[in-house]
Amino acid sequence: GIQVEQSPPDLILQEGANSTLRCNFSDSVNNLQWFHQNPWGQLINLFYIPSGTKQNGRLSATTVATERYSLLYISSSQTTDSGVYFCAVYHGGSYIPTFGRGTSLIVHP
Amino acid sequence: EAGVAQSPRYKIIEKRQSVAFWCNPISGHATLYWYQQILGQGPKLLIQFQNNGVVDDSQLPKDRFSAERLKGVDSTLKIQPAKLEDSAVYLCASSLERGQGNTEAFFGQGTRLTVV
Repeated sequence: GIQVEQSPPDLILQEGANSTLRCNFSDSVNNLQWFHQNPWGQLINLFYIPSGTKQNGRLSATTVATERYSLLYISSSQTTDSGVYFCAVYHGGSYIPTFGRGTSLIVHP
Repeated sequence: EAGVAQSPRYKIIEKRQSVAFWCNPISGHATLYWYQQILGQGPKLLIQFQNNGVVDDSQLPKDRFSAERLKGVDSTLKIQPAKLEDSAVYLCASSLERGQGNTEAFFGQGTRLTVV
């Protein structure tokens, strides 16, 4: 099956800092989602982005499908950004989201 | 628009007991997924339904896990008998379509199962 690698695995920031999270995948994908899992375990949809760039407030995402990676940018981080960020890819004919292991982000005040 | 509803939120059972989880997807969503998330890992697919038919259950441990979606809406996931390694969060998700359509998945809050 497809391999989804996320980096870094852990990230600790001071409030106000910027960060870039990366998602690499081993094969072509039909689509890609970024999620934020908050401390209560809820997966929040951030972006649904097969290619190109999207922005939503302080967050933006870029997927370069031909080079098999996606980036999530967080600017001016806040303590509420803490949690685990997952990317999930849709591969082949199954159209089933396959998840990476996530990036755990802690933002200190 | 209401999100994906799951119940119960928490469950503690002894090994070898049985347990059932319930999921109500977003209204109109044809595709429904059950995922298992073990602490420190990403969610792993157990089963995918399209309406009331199973699309993929290749990773479902069928000797102890079962799932159904009888009327193409609500779904239940059952474990019988439970093992210690089944301790995890069980997540339900739904999407409007499968295939070339809108496949964006939306997740419920999950059920945290502890097997002692």
